[in-house]
This record gives sequence, structure tokens and C-alpha cells, in this order.
Amino acid sequence: NAGVTQTPKFHILKTGQSMTLQCAQDMNHGYMSWYRQDPGMGLRLIYYSAAAGTTDKEVPNGYNVSRLNTEDFPLRLVSAAPSQTSVYLCASSGDLGKTQYFGPGTRLLVL
Amino acid sequence: GQNIDQPTEMTATEGAIVQINCTYQTSGFNGLFWYQQHAGEAPTFLSYNVLDGLEEKGRFSSFLSRSKGYSYLLLKELQMKDSASYLCAVRDTGGFKTIFGAGTRLFVKA
Repeated sequence: NAGVTQTPKFHILKTGQSMTLQCAQDMNHGYMSWYRQDPGMGLRLIYYSAAAGTTDKEVPNGYNVSRLNTEDFPLRLVSAAPSQTSVYLCASSGDLGKTQYFGPGTRLLVL
Repeated sequence: GQNIDQPTEMTATEGAIVQINCTYQTSGFNGLFWYQQHAGEAPTFLSYNVLDGLEEKGRFSSFLSRSKGYSYLLLKELQMKDSASYLCAVRDTGGFKTIFGAGTRLFVKA
């Protein structure tokens, strides 16, 4: 098992550009989520999905997700802003709210 | 509101015991987690408490008091590799949403 994989590892965007961060898991987990991690702020939940076909957002603006199948949970930045500079972590869980397995993260810089 | 507090930094000596505290105020509660995160790496699961009391797993133990909104992570026989951030997180009632604290950076010195 590869676990949770994320691509790219690092990317630079210009303000206003759009981009999709990829996340995939091969553990047949139902639950997947996206967090951003900023220095001194801990992990902040952006979006989560309880199963393929369902999503729920925590942060209102600037992000979109889709969950077309169990394995993939891409996060789209619609029009990047410098405030979205962060490390983005994707996680999955096989049982309700129990252990989350995190991907290695995507470090994003928006200029 | 949702709030999870833990100390920002702690320093301890190799071979010693350290206790990292976490207090929380959340609208709901359905379990408390501790994760370890080394610099530049993803968080990894350490422990889960849903009932009051102590959970022990090797050198690591975690305690929960739901009435006090309080937990601690106890690390025994500290090793240099234990230098990392330790994240306290609370799962909301009936859902998947998990709120994380800002983390405690632990420095283990020789």
C-alpha cells in the first residue's frame, strides 16, 4: 500500500491563477479531508468527504473539491491569493473519526 | 466556540519523562487524539481517548478527563528522536470534523 499520496510536493502560483492539488489513497477509506497548516496555527480543516459523491466544506471561500470515487479527493484553488500560501495536508480514515492517515503534504507559495 | 490550548514549546532531557497538556472547549466531543509530527513530515497517529482515564502504549500514555476538558500526553524514557511537534485534536459529535490545536514543539536535549 502506498497509503495517502499527494502531488505536487511544492508549487509556486501567481495571484489569480488556479490549480488543483491531487490526493489519492489506496486503503479503501471512506473518509477523506483537506487541511492547511500554517506556522503557529495548527491544522485547519478546509473540506471533508464522508464517502464518494459527498463533500462538506469548513472554509467558505477560495477552494473547491470533488469526490468522484473512493480513491481521489482533489482540492482546487479557484483564483489563488497570497493568503492561501500554506502547506496543504490530505488525510483519510477508514472508520468514523478514528485514526487519520496523512499524506506528505503540498507546500504552496502564492506570489 | 472551538478552542484547543497546548503549550507552544517544551524542552526535556534524554531519558526523562515529559507531560504535554491539552485543554479544550468544543461544542461537541467524540474523542481526543494525539499526533506526532516531525519537521517537514506528515502527522502520525499516537493515541485516541474517548473515555476518561489513561491509555498506555509503550513509552507513550494519554490521559483524558472529559468533565475538565483536559488531556495530557506522557512520554517516558525520552529519546532524541522524540523531538517533534505533538498535536492535540478533538473530534466533534456525530461527525467527521476534527479540530486541531496549534501543537507543542518538544526539544529533547542530551
